[in-house]
Amino acid sequence: KQEVTQIPAALSVPEGENLVLNCSFTDSAIYNLQWFRQDPGKGLTSLLLIQSSQREQTSGRLNASLDKSSGRSTLYIAASQPGDSATYLCAVDGNKLVFGAGTILRVKS
Amino acid sequence: SQTIHQWPATLVQPVGSPLSLECTVEGTSNPNLYWYRQAAGRGLQLLFYSVGIGQISSEVPQNLSASRPQDRQFILSSKKLLLSDSGFYLCAWSEEPAGANVLTFGAGSRLTVL
Repeated sequence: KQEVTQIPAALSVPEGENLVLNCSFTDSAIYNLQWFRQDPGKGLTSLLLIQSSQREQTSGRLNASLDKSSGRSTLYIAASQPGDSATYLCAVDGNKLVFGAGTILRVKS
Repeated sequence: SQTIHQWPATLVQPVGSPLSLECTVEGTSNPNLYWYRQAAGRGLQLLFYSVGIGQISSEVPQNLSASRPQDRQFILSSKKLLLSDSGFYLCAWSEEPAGANVLTFGAGSRLTVL
């Protein structure tokens, strides 16, 4: 059974700081891994999708990496802004998506 | 472009009352459809998924049921709500094939059972 863990559970950083969110999973037989953003009381927005054959994906200030063999992914946010404050979830797709519990990020101005 | 609609956005219901949450997708055909629940402080739990009309798979035994009466319509129901059914319910869709599934979520429905 796939288990997805996200560390840290919560993170508070000053504006402008670079930061890394971590995601680990137990079963490396996956098709892809996705990172989502969720604003309070809202649905999820897909940020990045990394296919199992890929090592990383970039979108603007976001960079996500995938090391399937070690069961790890990181989401790197460069030059963080208060608007980045949200909950970030990773989800692993091995036929069905399994989500982590998320990291609550707060960027202070 | 594809859009996903989910309603109602918020719902307060007494214990024992029925439930119906509706989700529709526009701009695509034969989508994979999903219902997730997010309990406070927890990750998303997959409740049901559907690969076609009338094809529903249940992930966890529970007080809820799902139906897909039309290609782009997915309904989450209950005959009698329990307190434990409270949570944030999210509908989502994805295209085939598996392995390239970008999952797109609706805005969510917050259910409070009193």
